[in-house]
Amino acid sequence: DVKVTQSSRYLVKRTGEKVFLECVQDMDHENMFWYRQDPGLGLRLIYFSYDVKMKEKGDIPEGYSVSREKKERFSLILESASTNQTSMYLCASSLNVLEQYFGPGTRLTVT
Amino acid sequence: RKEVEQDPGPFNVPEGATVAFNCTYSNSASQSFFWYRQDCRKEPKLLMSVYSSGNEDGRFTAQLNRASQYISLLIRDSKLSDSATYLCVVNWGDYKLSFGAGTTVTVRA
Repeated sequence: DVKVTQSSRYLVKRTGEKVFLECVQDMDHENMFWYRQDPGLGLRLIYFSYDVKMKEKGDIPEGYSVSREKKERFSLILESASTNQTSMYLCASSLNVLEQYFGPGTRLTVT
Repeated sequence: RKEVEQDPGPFNVPEGATVAFNCTYSNSASQSFFWYRQDCRKEPKLLMSVYSSGNEDGRFTAQLNRASQYISLLIRDSKLSDSATYLCVVNWGDYKLSFGAGTTVTVRA
């Protein structure tokens, strides 16, 4: 079974803080993704990585950056957290892009 | 206009009923189609792919209508455990999946 883990289930941060969300997968997948999920909007792609040290912007990359130093680990960074970044963040990995396996999510609240 | 649109529901049905709902997509070049299921406070999981000829997986039937740009999901003999949000997902050949906001189904005893 594919396992995707995320570092925290719940996180509360203050405006302006730097926030790190970590994601680890154990299936040697090339592709990893970061989404945010908001009510009524569905999942929106923030960043995507198809290989170590490679990254592509998704639909809403503003205010975020990512790091992929190792194949199994993909980190999402909020350089200066803002209240409009309060959301559920979901990491996913896949072999072929189409079937994506998701982690349990991190519910981030920025106050 | 959203790339993938779904009726949010909720569809509230008794056990044993049949429930069906659609999803429309805006990009006629879309190539691959899926239904993902998301339980309350859980992550999405792939339920089934949707093929041009339509396909079944047990009590679930998925259909694709390319001419009208929609896909559908039908659940027969609903179980309590079918209560979830069903996400319509579309890919047009690149790295990106486009997700609908989901249709919520609640099956009551």
